[in-house]
Amino acid sequence: DADVTQTPRNRITKTGKRIMLECSQTKGHDRMYWYRQDPGLGLRLIYYSFDVKDINKGEISDGYSVSRQAQAKFSLSLESAIPNQTALYFCATSDRGRSGANVLTFGAGSRLTVL
Amino acid sequence: SQQGEEDPQALSIQEGENATMNCSYKTSINNLQWYRQNSGRGLVHLILIRSNEREKHSGRLRVTLDTSKKSSSLLITASRAADTASYFCATGQGGSEKLVFGKGTKLTVNP
Repeated sequence: DADVTQTPRNRITKTGKRIMLECSQTKGHDRMYWYRQDPGLGLRLIYYSFDVKDINKGEISDGYSVSRQAQAKFSLSLESAIPNQTALYFCATSDRGRSGANVLTFGAGSRLTVL
Repeated sequence: SQQGEEDPQALSIQEGENATMNCSYKTSINNLQWYRQNSGRGLVHLILIRSNEREKHSGRLRVTLDTSKKSSSLLITASRAADTASYFCATGQGGSEKLVFGKGTKLTVNP
């Protein structure tokens, strides 16, 4: 099984619908992240969490919310999806480990299309 | 906002040739990392270089960092078709726990 599992892998929905993307990890990492990838724009951080009680906004949090249900689970919600939220979404985890740096382990991605 | 900017945006080479990608950034950093992404998949960490290091090697990868110029380069030697992917630099800044990614270089290695 993958270290970081994202579900669903692909989702097509309509404008105005509520969508939840889920992420679970088996690495035992404290830190979890949600990124969004758009062609030509690289990855942009939506939300991140350092533990269950710590949630932080990233650079593009508007229109999104998150829930850290447990150390291993971090879900991203779009309360009312709109077409410009069509993108590839990645969950990632990290711990500082011995390197003292934030090295990320990514999930395989969730491709969301909003019609 | 993007911190790192990779150059070139796209690179096409023949198998066996070397591939060099560059990353420039704007603010002071603690470390710089390179990641690879195969088409439509998750990113995979390749190598990390700290701000007090100038060069690092890992297998066929060589990374340099010039903090005075705020730039880094990734060299892949003796490239293979399997190296075809997008490569991203990411910077860790100051006390921030966030990594900021560039827009990536798309490398194509032709057999």
